[in-house]
Amino acid sequence: DQQVKQNSPSLSVQEGRISILNCDYTNSMFDYFLWYKKYPAEGPTFLISISSIKDKNEDGRFTVFLNKSAKHLSLHIVPSQPGDSAVYFCAAAVPRRVQGAQKLVFGQGTRLTINP
Amino acid sequence: DAGITQSPRYKITETGRQVTLMCHQTWSHSYMFWYRQDLGHGLRLIYYSAAADITDKGEVPDGYVVSRSKTENFPLTLESATRSQTSVYFCASSVGNTIYFGEGSWLTVV
Repeated sequence: DQQVKQNSPSLSVQEGRISILNCDYTNSMFDYFLWYKKYPAEGPTFLISISSIKDKNEDGRFTVFLNKSAKHLSLHIVPSQPGDSAVYFCAAAVPRRVQGAQKLVFGQGTRLTINP
Repeated sequence: DAGITQSPRYKITETGRQVTLMCHQTWSHSYMFWYRQDLGHGLRLIYYSAAADITDKGEVPDGYVVSRSKTENFPLTLESATRSQTSVYFCASSVGNTIYFGEGSWLTVV
Protein backbone atom coordinates (compact mmCIF):
# COMPACT_ATOMS: atom_id res chain seq x y z
CA ASP A 1 0.00 0.00 0.00
CA GLN A 2 1.70 3.14 -1.24
CA GLN A 3 0.95 5.82 1.33
CA VAL A 4 2.80 8.52 -0.56
CA LYS A 5 2.41 8.70 -4.32
CA GLN A 6 4.07 10.73 -7.01
CA ASN A 7 2.02 9.88 -10.06
CA SER A 8 4.26 11.57 -12.61
CA PRO A 9 7.48 9.61 -13.17
CA SER A 10 8.90 12.44 -15.25
CA LEU A 11 8.37 16.09 -16.07
CA SER A 12 9.99 18.29 -18.69
CA VAL A 13 9.97 22.09 -18.33
CA GLN A 14 11.55 24.91 -20.27
CA GLU A 15 14.21 26.97 -18.52
CA GLY A 16 12.73 30.06 -16.87
CA ARG A 17 9.25 28.57 -16.58
CA ILE A 18 7.56 27.20 -13.49
CA SER A 19 8.02 23.56 -12.53
CA ILE A 20 5.23 21.99 -10.49
CA LEU A 21 5.79 18.61 -8.90
CA ASN A 22 2.88 16.88 -7.24
CA CYS A 23 2.51 14.40 -4.41
CA ASP A 24 -0.53 12.70 -2.89
CA TYR A 25 -0.80 10.87 0.39
CA THR A 26 -3.36 8.66 2.04
CA ASN A 27 -2.44 8.64 5.73
CA SER A 28 -4.17 11.52 7.53
CA MET A 29 -1.78 11.00 10.47
CA PHE A 30 1.13 12.50 8.54
CA ASP A 31 2.03 15.83 10.12
CA TYR A 32 5.24 16.81 8.40
CA PHE A 33 6.22 16.77 4.74
CA LEU A 34 9.55 17.18 3.01
CA TRP A 35 10.96 17.39 -0.48
CA TYR A 36 14.31 15.91 -1.37
CA LYS A 37 16.33 16.39 -4.52
CA LYS A 38 18.60 13.71 -5.91
CA TYR A 39 21.29 13.89 -8.56
CA PRO A 40 22.63 10.71 -10.19
CA ALA A 41 25.20 8.83 -8.08
CA GLU A 42 24.54 11.06 -5.07
CA GLY A 43 22.38 10.78 -1.99
CA PRO A 44 19.11 12.70 -1.66
CA THR A 45 19.52 16.20 -0.28
CA PHE A 46 16.94 18.03 1.76
CA LEU A 47 15.22 20.82 -0.13
CA ILE A 48 12.24 22.20 1.76
CA SER A 49 9.65 21.08 4.28
CA ILE A 50 6.25 22.02 5.63
CA SER A 51 4.35 21.28 8.78
CA SER A 52 0.72 20.23 8.59
CA ILE A 53 -0.29 23.36 10.49
CA LYS A 54 0.75 25.47 7.50
CA ASP A 55 -0.44 25.52 3.91
CA LYS A 56 2.59 27.18 2.33
CA ASN A 57 6.30 27.44 2.90
CA GLU A 58 8.68 29.40 0.71
CA ASP A 59 12.44 29.32 0.37
CA GLY A 60 13.88 31.33 -2.49
CA ARG A 61 12.77 29.81 -5.78
CA PHE A 62 11.10 26.89 -4.03
CA THR A 63 7.60 26.89 -2.56
CA VAL A 64 5.73 23.96 -1.11
CA PHE A 65 1.95 24.01 -0.88
CA LEU A 66 -0.08 21.70 1.31
CA ASN A 67 -3.78 20.98 0.83
CA LYS A 68 -4.76 18.82 3.78
CA SER A 69 -8.36 18.30 2.73
CA ALA A 70 -7.20 16.88 -0.59
CA LYS A 71 -4.17 15.13 0.97
CA HIS A 72 -2.03 16.76 -1.66
CA LEU A 73 1.18 18.71 -1.70
CA SER A 74 3.11 20.32 -4.47
CA LEU A 75 6.52 21.81 -5.03
CA HIS A 76 6.83 24.90 -7.22
CA ILE A 77 10.14 25.98 -8.66
CA VAL A 78 10.23 29.44 -10.18
CA PRO A 79 12.10 30.18 -12.35
CA SER A 80 13.36 26.74 -13.32
CA GLN A 81 17.08 26.44 -14.00
CA PRO A 82 19.13 23.72 -15.71
CA GLY A 83 20.70 22.80 -12.36
CA ASP A 84 17.23 21.88 -11.11
CA SER A 85 17.26 18.80 -13.35
CA ALA A 86 17.17 15.91 -10.88
CA VAL A 87 14.84 13.38 -9.31
CA TYR A 88 12.56 14.86 -6.67
CA PHE A 89 11.13 12.79 -3.84
CA CYS A 90 8.36 13.87 -1.55
CA ALA A 91 8.32 12.34 1.92
CA ALA A 92 5.90 12.33 4.81
CA ALA A 93 6.26 11.66 8.52
CA VAL A 94 3.89 10.65 11.27
CA PRO A 95 4.11 12.41 14.64
CA ARG A 96 7.13 11.27 16.58
CA ARG A 97 6.73 9.77 19.96
CA VAL A 98 8.69 11.57 22.63
CA GLN A 99 12.32 11.31 21.48
CA GLY A 100 11.26 8.95 18.76
CA ALA A 101 12.85 8.63 15.35
CA GLN A 102 11.64 10.73 12.45
CA LYS A 103 10.78 7.91 10.06
CA LEU A 104 9.88 9.06 6.60
CA VAL A 105 7.66 7.47 3.97
CA PHE A 106 8.80 8.37 0.47
CA GLY A 107 7.06 8.66 -2.86
CA GLN A 108 8.47 6.99 -5.97
CA GLY A 109 10.13 10.13 -7.25
CA THR A 110 9.65 12.42 -10.27
CA ARG A 111 12.48 13.05 -12.71
CA LEU A 112 12.53 16.73 -13.62
CA THR A 113 14.32 17.82 -16.77
CA ILE A 114 14.85 21.51 -17.45
CA ASN A 115 15.35 22.22 -21.13
CA PRO A 116 17.42 25.22 -22.23
CA ASP B 1 32.59 18.64 7.42
CA ALA B 2 32.47 15.01 6.22
CA GLY B 3 28.88 14.31 7.32
CA ILE B 4 27.94 10.77 6.39
CA THR B 5 30.31 8.48 4.54
CA GLN B 6 29.41 5.10 3.14
CA SER B 7 31.66 2.29 1.99
CA PRO B 8 32.02 0.60 -0.32
CA ARG B 9 30.40 2.88 -2.88
CA TYR B 10 30.13 0.05 -5.40
CA LYS B 11 30.06 -3.69 -4.77
CA ILE B 12 29.35 -6.79 -6.82
CA THR B 13 28.82 -9.98 -4.87
CA GLU B 14 27.54 -13.47 -5.46
CA THR B 15 24.29 -14.98 -4.24
CA GLY B 16 24.71 -16.46 -0.79
CA ARG B 17 27.70 -14.33 0.22
CA GLN B 18 27.69 -12.14 3.30
CA VAL B 19 28.11 -8.44 2.59
CA THR B 20 28.52 -5.55 5.00
CA LEU B 21 27.90 -1.95 4.05
CA MET B 22 29.57 0.54 6.33
CA CYS B 23 28.22 3.89 7.45
CA HIS B 24 30.03 6.52 9.49
CA GLN B 25 28.75 9.94 10.56
CA THR B 26 30.69 12.83 12.05
CA TRP B 27 27.73 14.83 13.36
CA SER B 28 27.04 12.75 16.50
CA HIS B 29 23.38 12.49 15.52
CA SER B 30 21.49 10.06 17.72
CA TYR B 31 19.28 8.66 14.97
CA MET B 32 20.60 6.70 12.04
CA PHE B 33 18.80 4.90 9.23
CA TRP B 34 19.30 2.54 6.33
CA TYR B 35 17.13 2.97 3.23
CA ARG B 36 17.13 1.15 -0.07
CA GLN B 37 16.12 2.76 -3.34
CA ASP B 38 14.48 0.72 -6.08
CA LEU B 39 12.78 1.79 -9.26
CA GLY B 40 9.07 2.30 -8.68
CA HIS B 41 9.38 2.16 -4.90
CA GLY B 42 11.21 5.29 -3.94
CA LEU B 43 13.20 4.91 -0.73
CA ARG B 44 12.14 2.28 1.76
CA LEU B 45 13.34 2.06 5.36
CA ILE B 46 15.23 -1.12 6.25
CA TYR B 47 16.37 -0.48 9.83
CA TYR B 48 16.90 2.45 12.09
CA SER B 49 18.65 3.16 15.35
CA ALA B 50 17.81 5.64 18.09
CA ALA B 51 21.19 5.42 19.83
CA ALA B 52 24.08 3.06 20.41
CA ASP B 53 22.83 -0.48 21.06
CA ILE B 54 19.23 0.47 20.15
CA THR B 55 17.96 -0.68 16.77
CA ASP B 56 14.54 -1.34 15.28
CA LYS B 57 13.02 -2.72 12.10
CA GLY B 58 11.70 -0.57 9.34
CA GLU B 59 9.48 -1.40 6.39
CA VAL B 60 11.68 -4.02 4.67
CA PRO B 61 14.03 -5.62 7.25
CA ASP B 62 14.05 -9.23 6.06
CA GLY B 63 17.48 -10.51 5.08
CA TYR B 64 19.33 -7.68 6.81
CA VAL B 65 21.09 -7.29 10.14
CA VAL B 66 22.33 -4.09 11.76
CA SER B 67 24.38 -3.18 14.79
CA ARG B 68 25.31 0.05 16.50
CA SER B 69 28.09 -0.41 19.02
CA LYS B 70 29.21 3.23 18.59
CA THR B 71 27.09 6.29 17.93
CA GLU B 72 29.00 7.19 14.79
CA ASN B 73 28.83 3.81 13.03
CA PHE B 74 25.83 1.91 11.72
CA PRO B 75 26.82 -1.06 9.53
CA LEU B 76 24.27 -3.00 7.49
CA THR B 77 24.89 -6.70 6.85
CA LEU B 78 23.28 -8.92 4.27
CA GLU B 79 23.81 -12.33 5.83
CA SER B 80 23.19 -14.33 2.64
CA ALA B 81 22.78 -12.01 -0.34
CA THR B 82 19.98 -12.61 -2.83
CA ARG B 83 19.39 -11.08 -6.24
CA SER B 84 16.38 -9.20 -4.89
CA GLN B 85 18.79 -7.28 -2.67
CA THR B 86 20.42 -5.67 -5.69
CA SER B 87 19.74 -2.04 -4.95
CA VAL B 88 21.17 1.30 -3.96
CA TYR B 89 21.54 1.61 -0.21
CA PHE B 90 21.51 4.93 1.60
CA CYS B 91 22.59 5.50 5.15
CA ALA B 92 21.15 8.55 6.86
CA SER B 93 21.08 10.38 10.16
CA SER B 94 18.64 12.89 11.53
CA VAL B 95 18.37 15.93 13.71
CA GLY B 96 14.94 17.36 14.43
CA ASN B 97 12.55 16.68 11.60
CA THR B 98 15.11 16.39 8.82
CA ILE B 99 16.99 13.33 7.64
CA TYR B 100 20.38 13.72 5.96
CA PHE B 101 21.62 11.07 3.55
CA GLY B 102 24.98 9.66 2.61
CA GLU B 103 26.02 9.29 -1.02
CA GLY B 104 24.85 5.71 -1.37
CA SER B 105 26.26 2.23 -1.89
CA TRP B 106 25.45 0.49 -5.17
CA LEU B 107 25.16 -3.25 -4.56
CA THR B 108 24.74 -5.84 -7.30
CA VAL B 109 24.09 -9.46 -6.39
CA VAL B 110 24.80 -11.90 -9.22
